[in-house]
Amino acid sequence: GIQVEQSPPDLILQEGANSTLRCNFSDSVNNLQWFHQNPWGQLINLFYIPSGTKQNGRLSATTVATERYSLLYISSSQTTDSGVYFCAVGDFYNTDKLIFGTGTRLQVFP
Amino acid sequence: ETGVTQSPTHLIKTRGQQVTLRCSSQSGHNTVSWYQQALGQGPQFIFQYYREEENGRGNFPPRFSGLQFPNYSSELNVNALELDDSALYLCASSLTGVTGELFFGEGSRLTVL
Repeated sequence: GIQVEQSPPDLILQEGANSTLRCNFSDSVNNLQWFHQNPWGQLINLFYIPSGTKQNGRLSATTVATERYSLLYISSSQTTDSGVYFCAVGDFYNTDKLIFGTGTRLQVFP
Repeated sequence: ETGVTQSPTHLIKTRGQQVTLRCSSQSGHNTVSWYQQALGQGPQFIFQYYREEENGRGNFPPRFSGLQFPNYSSELNVNALELDDSALYLCASSLTGVTGELFFGEGSRLTVL
């Protein structure tokens, strides 16, 4: 099955810093979403981005499907950005599920 | 627009018992899927329901079962609970199945003692 790898596994930033999170996947995908999991466990949708580039405030994402990777950019980080960021992909050949990466744990300190 | 809601938020069971978790999908969404998230890991797909039929299943034993109702709400049932079933159970709904955007509820945290 498709493999999803995220890097870095852990990231510690000071407030105001910028960061880039990466998601690599091993095969063709028909869906790619980025989520932020808050301390209470809820997965918050950040981007639905199977290809192309999107921006939402301080966050932006780019997926290059032909090269099998996606990037999540966080600019001017805030303490509320802390949490775990997951990339999840839909397998092009098994269209019934999302496959999650192992996540990037982000801690932003004031 | 009502988001995905799950109940209960927390529960504690003992080994061998049975549990039912409930999920109300986002308004207008006809597809519901369930995921299990163990501590420190990413969510793992359990199964998906579309118009009351199961149409996809992950690598989980038959004691994990589900239902979807005509109003698209859903239940996850787990029989003969084991200690390893302790996890956060997440429900997601979507308008077009897994190829569309999925929206998750806050989850039900199950502890098996």
